[in-house]
Amino acid sequence: GESVGLHLPTLSVQEGDNSIINCAYSNSASDYFIWYKQESGKGPQFIIDIRSNMDKRQGQRVTVLLNKTVKHLSLQIAATQPGDSAVYFCAGLYGQNFVFGPGTRLSVLP
Amino acid sequence: SQTIHQWPATLVQPVGSPLSLECTVEGTSNPNLYWYRQAAGRGLQLLFYSVGIGQISSEVPQNLSASRPQDRQFILSSKKLLLSDSGFYLCAWNRDSNQPLHFGDGSRLSIL
Repeated sequence: GESVGLHLPTLSVQEGDNSIINCAYSNSASDYFIWYKQESGKGPQFIIDIRSNMDKRQGQRVTVLLNKTVKHLSLQIAATQPGDSAVYFCAGLYGQNFVFGPGTRLSVLP
Repeated sequence: SQTIHQWPATLVQPVGSPLSLECTVEGTSNPNLYWYRQAAGRGLQLLFYSVGIGQISSEVPQNLSASRPQDRQFILSSKKLLLSDSGFYLCAWNRDSNQPLHFGDGSRLSIL
């Protein structure tokens, strides 16, 4: 079956630095990917999405890059802030349903 | 704007007792509705989804069931809870299957 996974379960970044969270997927059949942020005790919150006809998409302080050749997706957070501390998930749409990765916990160091 | 509500936020139940978790969506009509379970260190597991009233699709065999009695209401139930039913349950909605999912804040279920 399809799988979506993250390279690192945890990531620590100094406040003010840029963060890069990576994700790999097994099946090129997905044409839609989403990044979510989940804070402790809350549900996942939509950050940014990208469709397969794009390589890059930017939001406020966040950029998603999609490399279909190597089936890799990344989320870049610019000038990481303490409020960015959370678990980040990638998800790919396969058929009618999303497959989620296990998440990377981002810790922002003062 | 659209909002999604789940309740209860936390629940402690004995083994063998029944379960009812509720989810409602406001500000939209005819949403797709989903129930997920989240285990520590693993991706969200889809349990049920619904594209309309009374229409339920189950993704995995289990001790749970789902119902959609109204357009914007989705209920997760069990007649007899097992220890393995413990977990964090998330309800979500989207307008179409190729649109982002929007999640509630979850219900944490502990089985004693």
